[in-house]
Amino acid sequence: DARVTQTPRHKVTEMGQEVTMRCQPILGHNTVFWYRQTMMQGLELLAYFRNRAPLDDSGMPKDRFSAEMPDATLATLKIQPSEPRDSAVYFCASGLALQGTTEAFFGQGTRLTVV
Amino acid sequence: GQQVMQIPQYQHVQEGEDFTTYCNSSTTLSNIQWYKQRPGGHPVFLIQLVKSGEVKKQKRLTFQFGEAKKNSSLHITATQTTDVGTYFCGSSGGYQKVTFGTGTKLQVIP
Repeated sequence: DARVTQTPRHKVTEMGQEVTMRCQPILGHNTVFWYRQTMMQGLELLAYFRNRAPLDDSGMPKDRFSAEMPDATLATLKIQPSEPRDSAVYFCASGLALQGTTEAFFGQGTRLTVV
Repeated sequence: GQQVMQIPQYQHVQEGEDFTTYCNSSTTLSNIQWYKQRPGGHPVFLIQLVKSGEVKKQKRLTFQFGEAKKNSSLHITATQTTDVGTYFCGSSGGYQKVTFGTGTKLQVIP
């Protein structure tokens, strides 16, 4: 049963610390999304990769957030330094872009708490 | 990106009542996707509509895409407690990036 795997599932960290979240997309998918979900903002798109190349990271605070795909089986989202306002659930999703549409398959998310 | 607004934000219904959520866009959408997120879970893809005026059904769920491709609706007939969750509409626009509406949180009262 193919699925998107995210680690860790939960993370509690102190303000100022670096946080790294990892995602293993579904094998064969060429598209990876990072979303942040909060009660106030809903599902915000932070970054988006196609064939490992970043296509859009306009939703991401550039001063502290960075997203990379070192290889086809791993996507990372880093926050340095973390702040309490970064507390949220971070979802990775992957998909196969075909003929102008992409269906997003979500991982179970990383619940981040910054204290 | 293709911005979509979703209403209502919250809906409480008695079990057995019908439920509808609406997505509206100021611009023409290339497609509309619907996802369901159970409490504590992750969004799960339900369906995609691409054609103007398209209607699709999945058991008690009916999905519609407007003629102008600027709005969509999800209708649930005779809700059950298993329908509880948040329903998101989304659209894959430029470069097929998927962006979402604000979601409608459905609570079903037994």
